[in-house]
Amino acid sequence: DQQVKQNSPSLSVQEGRISILNCDYTNSMFDYFLWYKKYPAEGPTFLISISSIKDKNEDGRFTVFLNKSAKHLSLHIVPSQPGDSAVYFCAASRNYGGSQGNLIFGKGTKLSVKP
Amino acid sequence: EPEVTQTPSHQVTQMGQEVILRCVPISNHLYFYWYRQILGQKVEFLVSFYNNEISEKSEIFDDQFSVERPDGSNFTLKIRSTKLEDSAMYFCASRERLLNEKLFFGSGTQLSVL
Repeated sequence: DQQVKQNSPSLSVQEGRISILNCDYTNSMFDYFLWYKKYPAEGPTFLISISSIKDKNEDGRFTVFLNKSAKHLSLHIVPSQPGDSAVYFCAASRNYGGSQGNLIFGKGTKLSVKP
Repeated sequence: EPEVTQTPSHQVTQMGQEVILRCVPISNHLYFYWYRQILGQKVEFLVSFYNNEISEKSEIFDDQFSVERPDGSNFTLKIRSTKLEDSAMYFCASRERLLNEKLFFGSGTQLSVL
């Protein structure tokens, strides 16, 4: 049961251009969405998050957009840099209503930023 | 920045053996988690732990698995009798409080069951 889906296993972008990573979810009870970045042999590193009461959150080069009606979120990185090359995981959680806020992860999208 | 520490980074064991994976969460954090990632697959939730007891666990976390916080700093995952399919990267994570959405992950223990 894939509650969080990242349908693109990989994405290749030229340095300086925009990277757009997409994520879909099925559980309407999710109220927090997060993006994590993961380098090989390291644990996931928190990147940016968004609450379900918002539709956009921005942090420097990273912006996350949430479309609740479509159950879709996206991560925009602009401008993309070679150091952004990593696997990006979308994750969702339900922090209210008695849940323990466990993260449900997508399968990840491997981003390659070419110099 | 404070970090979650996991040891060992790699563990090789024979099928049927017991393994203990160790984690030191961030000191002021109250919620602790174990996740795993089988090669090529997504990161999967195993168990959450709060106030010295399991608060939630997944289907993966069967009777072969147990967690413990033996003292004020360590958080361990024990697999009693390892199977080949337990081979994975195991991540420990911690969170300061429930309504802080950010989980901090350790760098993982790569478990190989032969």
